[in-house]
Amino acid sequence: DAKTTQPPSMDCAEGRAANLPCNHSTISGNEYVYWYRQIHSQGPQYIIHGLKNNETNEMASLIITEDRKSSTLILPHATLRDTAVYYCIAELYNDMRFGAGTRLTVKP
Amino acid sequence: KAGVTQTPRYLIKTRGQQVTLSCSPISGHRSVSWYQQTPGQGLQFLFEYFSETQRNKGNFPGRFSGRQFSNSRSEMNVSTLELGDSALYLCASSSLAGGFLELFFGEGSRLTVL
Repeated sequence: DAKTTQPPSMDCAEGRAANLPCNHSTISGNEYVYWYRQIHSQGPQYIIHGLKNNETNEMASLIITEDRKSSTLILPHATLRDTAVYYCIAELYNDMRFGAGTRLTVKP
Repeated sequence: KAGVTQTPRYLIKTRGQQVTLSCSPISGHRSVSWYQQTPGQGLQFLFEYFSETQRNKGNFPGRFSGRQFSNSRSEMNVSTLELGDSALYLCASSSLAGGFLELFFGEGSRLTVL
């Protein structure tokens, strides 16, 4: 079973930042936090990952709390194309188990 | 570099039949994972293979099986199909280059069981 908890759905206005929370209170010290998203019925797409430090790439930023029990994925300027299901995963290497994710709807 | 290729993309079977789905990973990737996605259960992990060995298995009955060949291509088989097996089956390949795991998914095989 997935070790993460996410809200089932969120809305965001186009152009605003989308902040997607994830709880992973049972994460162990060597497990990474990964974020993926799935647009419609396509295969999930990798967004970002982190271990302890905050991370940023061209798609998003990942903020991990100091105790590593939760994290937030930030899409700085959400567009309509960011409407998708976002999955937070706390796993080690090859055992990637997806939860139900958060359905983000970006509205004009 | 070619992506993950899954065949067939769509198929229709009847209850009791069996089905075999194929997945060709990205060149150089040695790990292949399979997932089942249904509207009610979401994205569920089936199993993962690395260098022809199953390393992890999800909570699915024995009717679901898989294998991986020496060229890293993988197949999964579902025997004695049930209506509830209707789903999108996704394959993902990965490598540990860079020290972290990035899964690359195919477009999936959509199975309908009548």
